[in-house]
Amino acid sequence: QKEVEQDPGPLSVPEGAIVSLNCTYSNSAFQYFMWYRQYSRKGPELLMYTYSSGNKEDGRFTAQVDKSSKYISLFIRDSQPSDSATYLCAMSANSGGYNKLIFGAGTRLAVHP
Amino acid sequence: NAGVMQNPRHLVRRRGQEARLRCSPMKGHSHVYWYRQLPEEGLKFMVYLQKENIIDESGMPKERFSAEFPKEGPSILRIQQVVRGDSAAYFCASSPPPQGPVGNQPQHFGDGTRLSIL
Repeated sequence: QKEVEQDPGPLSVPEGAIVSLNCTYSNSAFQYFMWYRQYSRKGPELLMYTYSSGNKEDGRFTAQVDKSSKYISLFIRDSQPSDSATYLCAMSANSGGYNKLIFGAGTRLAVHP
Repeated sequence: NAGVMQNPRHLVRRRGQEARLRCSPMKGHSHVYWYRQLPEEGLKFMVYLQKENIIDESGMPKERFSAEFPKEGPSILRIQQVVRGDSAAYFCASSPPPQGPVGNQPQHFGDGTRLSIL
């Protein structure tokens, strides 16, 4: 079993839809949770960074962490064609002050006009 | 405010040659991480370095791979005697040291080096 599971998609939605992306994990030591967006032939771009449980909102993006269920989500409101990319979840434990990130496989999202 | 810089962006090598990948972290960042991304797979941790120190190399193959982050200059990931299976995108990330009650700081990535082995 992988430490982090993420449905690879692809996920296709119309412009303006609400998108829900999810990851599950098995390691209860994870405390730091991130979402990255990766466009083709580019590096991952940090979208959201959350410590421990709870919700975090930034513009059209909302990240949720449920540590009791070992489940994290990213919601994108009013999706745009420019949101078409691969979304990677990543997480790490608090291990000596550095972040060894464990990534999901990524979900490919396509937003069509 | 330049981000993480990686070069070259593309590197082609023949089997048996050496590959050198360079990474300059963001200004003020003293922690460097290397990850490898195989086609249709997520990123896999390889090695974590601070200036002049390898902190964790548990994700790096024991043979042919080495990494350094000298006092001056960029971090280098070196692959000797490359084989076809080394073809991948190699990403570098950097972060500042841990701060405050949250501790760990987020990592910012470069655009990677795409290594192709002929």
